[in-house]
Amino acid sequence: QKEVEQNSGPLSVPEGAIASLNCTYSDRGSQSFFWYRQYSGKSPELIMFIYSNGDKEDGRFTAQLNKASQYVSLLIRDSQPSDSATYLCAVNQAGTALIFGKGTTLSVSS
Amino acid sequence: ETGVTQTPRHLVMGMTNKKSLKCEQHLGHNAMYWYKQSAKKPLELMFVYSLEERVENNSVPSRFSPECPNSSHLFLHLHTLQPEDSALYLCASSQDRGGKKLFFGSGTQLSVL
Repeated sequence: QKEVEQNSGPLSVPEGAIASLNCTYSDRGSQSFFWYRQYSGKSPELIMFIYSNGDKEDGRFTAQLNKASQYVSLLIRDSQPSDSATYLCAVNQAGTALIFGKGTTLSVSS
Repeated sequence: ETGVTQTPRHLVMGMTNKKSLKCEQHLGHNAMYWYKQSAKKPLELMFVYSLEERVENNSVPSRFSPECPNSSHLFLHLHTLQPEDSALYLCASSQDRGGKKLFFGSGTQLSVL
């Protein structure tokens, strides 16, 4: 069974710190990797995606992928209280629907 | 309107009721999805439609019946639900069936009494 694992948290960081969110996946055939952010009471929204090994940066967010280790992470630099949310990791193979993890709850304190 | 809209936002129903959830996407996408989100569990894929054809059904009980009359509209018909079906039901769309970049609606919070 294809699985995506995340530590449910909560992960607590002070404002301005780097938040590191981690995700592992079981299916070696996975090709696309996504991070969704979900605020309490809201629907998930896509914030990052990565297809190739290495790092991908977008503003304060960096996604990191290591296919050999079946590991993907999301780094949030200069964390803000507005970053407090649940972060969902999702993976898929070409032509198949996304498989989601349970999500990690991030709390950024001011 | 833009994006993906779902109605109703909240629904309370008894186990003998019949109700329907509605989803409409204004993005010109070809694929639409129903997901179930329960507390402490991952988002569970229920159904996938591509160009109005159901392409995936993840062993969902028959008390959930999807309908996709066209590429912009998706329904989830509910009948004789159980209390454990209480959850947030999310509709999503993507450009193609591969489901890479999903755009979610606001969801319907369903409570079954």
